[in-house]
Amino acid sequence: EDQVTQSPEALRLQEGESSSLNCSYTVSGLRGLFWYRQDPGKGPEFLFTLYSAGEEKEKERLKATLTKKESFLHITAPKPEDSATYLCAVQIDSGYSTLTFGKGTMLLVSP
Amino acid sequence: NAGVTQTPKFRILKIGQSMTLQCTQDMNHNYMYWYRQDPGMGLKLIYYSVGAGITDKGEVPNGYNVSRSTTEDFPLRLELAAPSQTSVYFCASRGSFVSDAYGYTFGSGTRLTVV
Repeated sequence: EDQVTQSPEALRLQEGESSSLNCSYTVSGLRGLFWYRQDPGKGPEFLFTLYSAGEEKEKERLKATLTKKESFLHITAPKPEDSATYLCAVQIDSGYSTLTFGKGTMLLVSP
Repeated sequence: NAGVTQTPKFRILKIGQSMTLQCTQDMNHNYMYWYRQDPGMGLKLIYYSVGAGITDKGEVPNGYNVSRSTTEDFPLRLELAAPSQTSVYFCASRGSFVSDAYGYTFGSGTRLTVV
């Protein structure tokens, strides 16, 4: 069974304190790994897609990396507006582009 | 604004009642999906569609039905609502495989409570 596990479940940071969120996966035939941001009461907002081990993508204070077993979302010098739940999802080779999601990491950045 | 629109935003149902959650997109996307999100759980796929007239079950389809008569619309029907269907429902869409890099576009959700 395909599984996606995110850790930690929750993370509290001080403004400017860098850290990383983890997404480990066990799937047969990874086609892509997706990161989303979700604010309270809203739908997930797309951040990145990673396709192969060694790939990295950046957007402002966020950088996503991918290995054969896990992905990291690195947050550099976070600001309070980075507070949100970050979701990881995997897309496998078979099927019609359905995504399997992890439970998410709730990030709170305090000023 | 282009995107995925869901209605209603909130709804309270009594046990045994039925309702339809509406989802429409104006991006001409072929692929559409319905997910539910429960507290502390990841999004679970209910149903999906790869084009008008084509639908298939996801991970948690029991108690739900869908139809896809047009490219734009993908309504989700709840028959005989049960407390276990209390959740937040998200509709999403995506275009062709070449646009994988842009992920899915999600609606803002429908918060449903069954009492």
